[in-house]
Amino acid sequence: NAGVTQTPKFQVLKTGQSMTLQCAQDMNHNSMYWYRQDPGMGLRLIYYSASEGTTDKGEVPNGYNVSRLNKREFSLRLESAAPSQTSVYFCASSELVSVGYGYTFGSGTRLTVV
Amino acid sequence: GENVEQHPSTLSVQEGDSAVIKCTYSDSASNYFPWYKQELGKRPQLIIDIRSNVGEKKDQRIAVTLNKTAKHFSLHITETQPEDSAVYFCAAQLTGTASKLTFGTGTRLQVTL
Repeated sequence: NAGVTQTPKFQVLKTGQSMTLQCAQDMNHNSMYWYRQDPGMGLRLIYYSASEGTTDKGEVPNGYNVSRLNKREFSLRLESAAPSQTSVYFCASSELVSVGYGYTFGSGTRLTVV
Repeated sequence: GENVEQHPSTLSVQEGDSAVIKCTYSDSASNYFPWYKQELGKRPQLIIDIRSNVGEKKDQRIAVTLNKTAKHFSLHITETQPEDSAVYFCAAQLTGTASKLTFGTGTRLQVTL
């Protein structure tokens, strides 16, 4: 099993350009998440999807949109990239249970906005 | 929402010594506390977790303790080895439909020879 697959692994954008980060999981998990990781700030939740057909904002949603295409896939879109969005982006998935399951993370996308 | 504080931000120990990383959380409803290890350039990986009905859990050289009253939990690594060098993140989960995790800001552990 591949687990959680993210594409691309690296990307450089110019300010104002748009792009979509792709994420797919093959573990039949219900919940999927997008986090960004910046030095000294840990992992901050951008958006999440508790189940197919639902999406909700996390801690830092401004400048991003998401789509839960089906149970397997959860994409993150930057409509007009800004230098402040330079970061490492991680997708993750987990079982939807009332409590007590950790995440499986993808390998990350390193995004630089110039 | 939940807030998780993690200390120290960096920790250097000699090989064979013990390392302790501490976290506090703000929401008393949180009841699941995982720890992740992230090696340089890699994804975070779950190394141990604890639920609120348990005070301590061990897995070989690592252990986690939880004090619900004080709302803090700690990671203990004994007999540290160079391969333990990494960034460690604690997290707390609020019960609810999406199992969202709130992460601490991370501790960079360096194990020196």
